[in-house]
Amino acid sequence: AQRVTQPEKLLSVFKGAPVELKCNYSYSGSPELFWYVQYSRQRLQLLLRHISRESIKGFTADLNKGETSFHLKKPFAQEEDSAMYYCALGGFNKFYFGSGTKLNVKP
Amino acid sequence: EAGVVQSPRYKIIEKKQPVAFWCNPISGHNTLYWYLQNLGQGPELLIRYENEEAVDDSQLPKDRFSAERLKGVDSTLKIQPAELGDSAVYLCASSSRGPGQGSEQYFGPGTRLTVT
Repeated sequence: AQRVTQPEKLLSVFKGAPVELKCNYSYSGSPELFWYVQYSRQRLQLLLRHISRESIKGFTADLNKGETSFHLKKPFAQEEDSAMYYCALGGFNKFYFGSGTKLNVKP
Repeated sequence: EAGVVQSPRYKIIEKKQPVAFWCNPISGHNTLYWYLQNLGQGPELLIRYENEEAVDDSQLPKDRFSAERLKGVDSTLKIQPAELGDSAVYLCASSSRGPGQGSEQYFGPGTRLTVT
């Protein structure tokens, strides 16, 4: 069963435009949701997690249990935000990644 | 702190040959993960260790894949014999606690395997 769905393979926006990367999940119980990011030629790293309710590099994500979503948002995209973004779910002894969305911020 | 260390970074082998990957996690991290990442896909968990115990190896193809973490520190993932479909990036990650406990995973740079 697909646990984490990222419907967009590629998202292109212009610098300064708002960006939203979609993530939907399927899990019974109370999962932990994360966003991981991989910049070019760098290793995968944590961007943010829902339990922290923090904003990192201007990005925020709200867990919507009714819609089972955890979309990643930023009001004004920057060129340095271009990267691969992975939504991930941590459950009871299990961890799942989505297939990723490539964000391309154009100048 | 070097972070999670993996070697080799790249490996090219012929099909039916054996191959091994090595991972050294961040010091003090009890949980170690091996992931497989195919092109255009997200990481898929192969096996998770808590200290030296493999607590989740349900996605590990046990007919050809094996792993060990003998002293609860570094780990080795082996494929024998390799098949063409095994070409992928193999990622190692570590964390201070297991999934469901809010712990961040720290990833290594990965090993890119090409089977010809």
